[in-house]
Parts: sequence; structure tokens; C-alpha cells
Amino acid sequence: DAGVIQSPRHEVTEMGQEVTLRCKPISGHNSLFWYRQTMMRGLELLIYFNNNVPIDDSGMPEDRFSAKMPNASFSTLKIQPSEPRDSAVYFCASGTDTQYFGPGTRLTVL
Amino acid sequence: AQSVAQPEDQVNVAEGNPLTVKCTYSVSGNPYLFWYVQYPNRGLQFLLKYITGDNLVKGSYGFEAEFNKSQTSFHLKKPSALVSDSALYFCAVRDMGDDKIIFGKGTRLHILP
Repeated sequence: DAGVIQSPRHEVTEMGQEVTLRCKPISGHNSLFWYRQTMMRGLELLIYFNNNVPIDDSGMPEDRFSAKMPNASFSTLKIQPSEPRDSAVYFCASGTDTQYFGPGTRLTVL
Repeated sequence: AQSVAQPEDQVNVAEGNPLTVKCTYSVSGNPYLFWYVQYPNRGLQFLLKYITGDNLVKGSYGFEAEFNKSQTSFHLKKPSALVSDSALYFCAVRDMGDDKIIFGKGTRLHILP
């Protein structure tokens, strides 16, 4: 298995633009998690899905952030409009009792 | 509510010496406990976990961790440190029956040659 796949690996955009991050979980994993990592705040859980259904989105910072999981093999995290404070590394993870992380997307908003 | 504490921001160990990275936790039920490692510009990598059974858990790269229920601790250990062990280490806890894993803030391990 290729593991959790995230794209793009790096994204540089300007403030106000829409950003879409993508994740392909490991096949057979029922749960999918989106995290954000920054130096200041560490690792934060944004939202997680179980069997494609959003279970807890209490970590989503504000309405500019949205996430979808249209099927078991794909999820997106969208930021619209983006702001410089959204600059971070965004990780997707999948798993049941153990979470396996993707390589992350480094987002820079200028 | 679940929580996990890593009391040390940074640990320095000389190569060849034993290392310990500390972790304490709090859960309402029976805990699932994890250690992850993160190398620069990489995602978190699973090292080991405790669910039930033997209190000493062995994982990848020669690491092990000891579950201590009375002290609510799950310290990560290795008998002989390598320079390549230098990385950021996260302890995490999950309450049985919950999908969410709560991560500690991480401990940066420096192995000095």
C-alpha cells in the first residue's frame, strides 16, 4: 500500500484565494482525520470522518474552512478565502485504532 | 476529557546512552496509548502502541515504552541512542470507544555525537 497520499505537497497562494487540499486514505480505513501543524499551536485536529460522515468538526477554525469526503477513497479540505494566518502544514491521517499520517501539504499564504 | 502531557520540550542525550522521553496521560476509561516520531519535513510516523496486555511494548527502530497505570505514564525508552534518533516525538492517547487521538505537544530529542 502506498500509504496516505496528499496533494499538493507544497502550495503558495495569495491572500483571498481559494485553496483545496486533497487526501487519499489507505484503502480499508474507516476513519479519516485532518490536522494542522504550526510552530505556535502544535498539532491541531481540525475535523474527522467515520465511514465518510463528518463526526467532529469542532476544530475547524472558522467558516472559511470546509471539508468533504464524497467517498471512501477521497477527501478535500478547502479554505476560502485564504489568509496569511492559515499558513501551516496540513496533514491527513487515516486508520482505525492507529492513525497513519500522510506526508503533509505545506501551505504558504502571502 | 482525555489529555496527554509531555513535560519536556527538549531532551539531549549523548550517542550510545539510554534515552527516555516522558509522557503522562488522563482518560476516563481504558487508554490506548501511542508514540509517533516526526523527522524534518515529514509526516508523523507510528512507532508503537499499547492497547492491552504486557506493560512493556516494543516498537520500531529499537524503541520501547512502558505502560504504568498507577502513575498514568507511558514513557518512551531506548537502551542506546543513535544520532539518527534525533527528531520530534509525540505521545498520544485515545479513550477506548472514541475515534479521536489526543496528541501531546511533542518533545524534541537531540542525540549528540
